[in-house]
Amino acid sequence: EAQVTQNPRYLITVTGKKLTVTCSQNMNHEYMSWYRQDPGLGLRQIYYSMNVEVTDKGDVPEGYKVSRKEKRNFPLILESPSPNQTSLYFCASSKGGPGEKLFFGSGTQLSVL
Amino acid sequence: LAKTTQPISMDSYEGQEVNITCSHNNIATNDYITWYQQFPSQGPRFIIQGYKTKVTNEVASLFIPADRKSSTLSLPRVSLSDTAVYYCLVGPYGGATNKLIFGTGTLLAVQP
Repeated sequence: EAQVTQNPRYLITVTGKKLTVTCSQNMNHEYMSWYRQDPGLGLRQIYYSMNVEVTDKGDVPEGYKVSRKEKRNFPLILESPSPNQTSLYFCASSKGGPGEKLFFGSGTQLSVL
Repeated sequence: LAKTTQPISMDSYEGQEVNITCSHNNIATNDYITWYQQFPSQGPRFIIQGYKTKVTNEVASLFIPADRKSSTLSLPRVSLSDTAVYYCLVGPYGGATNKLIFGTGTLLAVQP
């Protein structure tokens, strides 16, 4: 089944403790991206990647890192999480660019205490 | 990047046809128009995509006028399960920029 898999589904952590949210797709997609969703602010893009080793900033990249060492994986890294990064995170992928059909993961609810 | 504008919310009743319009005045020649549906705490789900004129699939229709500065998602005979947020997105199949900007979306509330 074609899908984007995110883990974990829920995560509670403390300020400053490094964490990684994993994202994997099984569709051989070129484009992958991360979003955060906050009440009243909608979905905002954090980072995106057009291919292996090619990543770029979205609208809200501060405090986040990503890597694209393999085509299928696109982990989101928070090196020193802060409470303002408490949010619902989504990973998505598409065959080509953002204008193509995006497949979203089921989300990761992160709470930073 | 084309910015989109949609109504914040809409109300409807079961069995009615619902039309949600999105404005995208600065759409580029190579941009496609895509609509997504999102339920609370779930990832957005693809509904329909088009470039111009009319596109229809098993769940919706998409109407795009000749100037492509707007588009209308049409949901026939809605049910309670269609209560969700609907997003209109405009973007290319790859290009000079691959950023993506989601608008605020339209919260559709379907009542019995």
